[in-house]
Amino acid sequence: DQQVKQNSPSLSVQEGRISILNCDYTNSMFDYFLWYKKYPAEGPTFLISISSIKDKNEDGRFTVFLNKSAKHLSLHIVPSQPGDSAVYFCAASSDYSGNTPLVFGKGTRLSVIA
Amino acid sequence: DVKVTQSSRYLVKRTGEKVFLECVQDMDHENMFWYRQDPGLGLRLIYFSYDVKMKEKGDIPEGYSVSREKKERFSLILESASTNQTSMYLCASSPGVFNEKLFFGSGTQLSVL
Repeated sequence: DQQVKQNSPSLSVQEGRISILNCDYTNSMFDYFLWYKKYPAEGPTFLISISSIKDKNEDGRFTVFLNKSAKHLSLHIVPSQPGDSAVYFCAASSDYSGNTPLVFGKGTRLSVIA
Repeated sequence: DVKVTQSSRYLVKRTGEKVFLECVQDMDHENMFWYRQDPGLGLRLIYFSYDVKMKEKGDIPEGYSVSREKKERFSLILESASTNQTSMYLCASSPGVFNEKLFFGSGTQLSVL
């Protein structure tokens, strides 16, 4: 059973507009969430994270929103740039003390069109 | 910067061969991981280790084994490679707790013919 779901395999956005990537989870014990970005032929790199005590975390052009009641989080990229074109993975942890590995979603491929 | 190095970017092997994928990290991280990435399936955890000589099965350990004799090195072994093990293999490391951000290597694209 998939505990972390990214239901959109791909997304296309025009340069300068907002990109919104969505992630849903089923395990109510998840309390820490991360986003990773992956370019072709490279390993994923950490982008931004949020703990369940917050509902928003912002880092430059990237903002993650968490809606615990809906078990939903989203990554907003504003403004989108061509260099943001990559696969984005949502990940979750059920143990903020860090004793269990992250669970990843299947990823969403973002294409930012110039 | 943390560096996670995977020994090969591309490997081509024959069915039935024993395959070793090597991973070395240079930041004295406690935890190391092996994932595989397949189109439409995302990142799936094969094995992980939280200490030298310790190993734990991930979600898809069948057909694989691992070795961690030194803290900095984590090896993935395919005992008898099969075509369904053709994949991108990613090694990662993290400090003392698992939900710290992972640092990934560049990956090894393995083709089993």
